[in-house]
Formats: sequence, C-alpha cells, structure tokens
Amino acid sequence: DQQVKQNSPSLSVQEGRISILNCDYTNSMFDYFLWYKKYPAEGPTFLISISSIKDKNEDGRFTVFLNKSAKHLSLHIVPSQPGDSAVYFCAAASAYSGGYQKVTFGTGTKLQVIP
Amino acid sequence: EAQVTQNPRYLITVTGKKLTVTCSQNMNHEYMSWYRQDPGLGLRQIYYSMNVEVTDKGDVPEGYKVSRKEKRNFPLILESPSPNQTSLYFCASSPGQVYGYTFGSGTRLTVV
Repeated sequence: DQQVKQNSPSLSVQEGRISILNCDYTNSMFDYFLWYKKYPAEGPTFLISISSIKDKNEDGRFTVFLNKSAKHLSLHIVPSQPGDSAVYFCAAASAYSGGYQKVTFGTGTKLQVIP
Repeated sequence: EAQVTQNPRYLITVTGKKLTVTCSQNMNHEYMSWYRQDPGLGLRQIYYSMNVEVTDKGDVPEGYKVSRKEKRNFPLILESPSPNQTSLYFCASSPGQVYGYTFGSGTRLTVV
C-alpha cells in the first residue's frame, strides 16, 4: 500500500522554465512533508519541507505547496537549471507515528532540465 | 566535514552468511535511520533510532537487525541474508524532530 505516490516517473523541462513535481498521499495522519533530491551514486539530499499548518513554503528557487483537502503537494522550481536534473523524492511523516522519524517516501520523479 | 559514513560501498555475499553494514555520523545527531532503495519502490525505511538504545521498526524490518550502543554508530545487521535483500541501502541521521535527514552515500548489496 503506497501511502505516498509520485505518479510521474519522469519529467523534462527546458532550462529557465518552471518545473512542477507532484505528490499525493493517502494517510490523513501525515502532518509533515519533505522533498529530497538525489543524484546518481549519491545519497538523497534534503531540499525543503512544510508543516501541515502551512500551505506554502519557499526557499530560493524552490517552493512547496500543500493542499491538505486534496492530500496533494507539489514542488516548484523556478527557474529550472541543468544542475537540477536529478531524482526528486517526496516524503511524509506523522507526529503520531514515530515522532517524525518514521518517514515514508514516494517512488521518485526523475527531472531532466534541458539546456 | 559533517557527514554520514557507510561501509562498505559495495558488497557481494552468499545466502545465509551473516553481514554487518556500518554507519557512523560525526554531527552528534540524535536520530538515525536505515533505508533501502529498490526500482519502482522508492526508499523504504527499515529501522530508525531516536537515541542510544532506542530503536523502532520502519516499514520493512523483516530480516534485519540494528543496534544503537553509541550515539554516532548505527550498524545494520543481516543475520541470514537472502537474495530478496539485494538492494541499495542508505543510512541517515537527523538532529531533531522536524529536520530532514542527512544521508550517507549508500551501500550496494548483492546476495547470491
């Protein structure tokens, strides 16, 4: 039972344009969400997070939006750069289960930014 | 340099031969965790630890053991490896409740 779903395995975007990566979740107990970026042969790198009390969090070129009623979150990258080409994982956690240390990841979306 | 170090990076072993993958962090983090990554399944949490001597199961703990005797170390033990444990394993650590994990570079394990 995949509680965190990333339905697009891959995405191609032109350099300078906006990249939008989507994530859906089914567990309504999730109240903290994170995005990680992963390059080949490296471990994932934490990118940005959002608490369920917010609907938006911004950090430079990266913005995460949370729509709790739809159980959907998205990561916007503006403008996209070739160095952003990587696999992006959405992740979720619940204060009621593992105190945010029990983290459930999605299957990942491979982003390719074309120069 | 702040980092999570896993060893070995690559390991090929035979079914049933006990093995340990070591993990060490130099950031004085309270929390540590093990994940496995498989094609089409993303990252799945095996075990996590909130502090020394405090561990709990993740989503796929079967066939694995962990221990946290020291804050910096969190080894993953496969008592009797099987081919379905062939995977890419990541260790990670975090300073607190709402901080993201810092991951190691991974251990590619093949069980034949």
